[in-house]
Amino acid sequence: RKEVEQDPGPFNVPEGATVAFNCTYSNSASQSFFWYRQDCRKEPKLLMSVYSSGNEDGRFTAQLNRASQYISLLIRDSKLSDSATYLCVVNLNYGGSQGNLIFGKGTKLSVKP
Amino acid sequence: NAGVTQTPKFRILKIGQSMTLQCTQDMNHNYMYWYRQDPGMGLKLIYYSVGAGITDKGEVPNGYNVSRSTTEDFPLRLELAAPSQTSVYFCASSYGGAFLSGYTFGSGTRLTVV
Repeated sequence: RKEVEQDPGPFNVPEGATVAFNCTYSNSASQSFFWYRQDCRKEPKLLMSVYSSGNEDGRFTAQLNRASQYISLLIRDSKLSDSATYLCVVNLNYGGSQGNLIFGKGTKLSVKP
Repeated sequence: NAGVTQTPKFRILKIGQSMTLQCTQDMNHNYMYWYRQDPGMGLKLIYYSVGAGITDKGEVPNGYNVSRSTTEDFPLRLELAAPSQTSVYFCASSYGGAFLSGYTFGSGTRLTVV
């Protein structure tokens, strides 16, 4: 099983749509979870951390299910500017590598007018 | 603040040539990382450092070397370039372990080996 798995997409949605991305991770000891956004030919940028209780930042909602080792990101009222690749990221939590992050391959989102 | 600065932005190398990818950060972060990203693939960790004078291998260290003589700088050295090293290289830093707050990335170096 790959360490972090995501649906590669692409997800093609109209403006205003709600879209959800899912991610599974294999290391049950992982403690930290993030969603990053990566625009074409740019560096990844932190979108939001994911907390056990779930958290929201404007139009973005992240959920974590530790029992199922599953993370989700919901984007409401999609904007053209949301078009990007969304990376699911978890920390590698064993040995001396607590700080290292494992990146999924990303899910590409394209929001159309 | 400049954040994490990488140079050069682009480079073409011939097989067997050597080069150093530069990375510097001005945020006083103690942790620094080098990742490579191949098309359609996730970022893979090459090397990381938890502080000046301390470095360790990541998932794909072969063909690379690093040093960390100061808190600010974390250069990545390619000794004998091979076509398999064609990739986009990202340097990143974090304050404390990234499990606390994630990384700040540099803008990347696009390397082609021909």
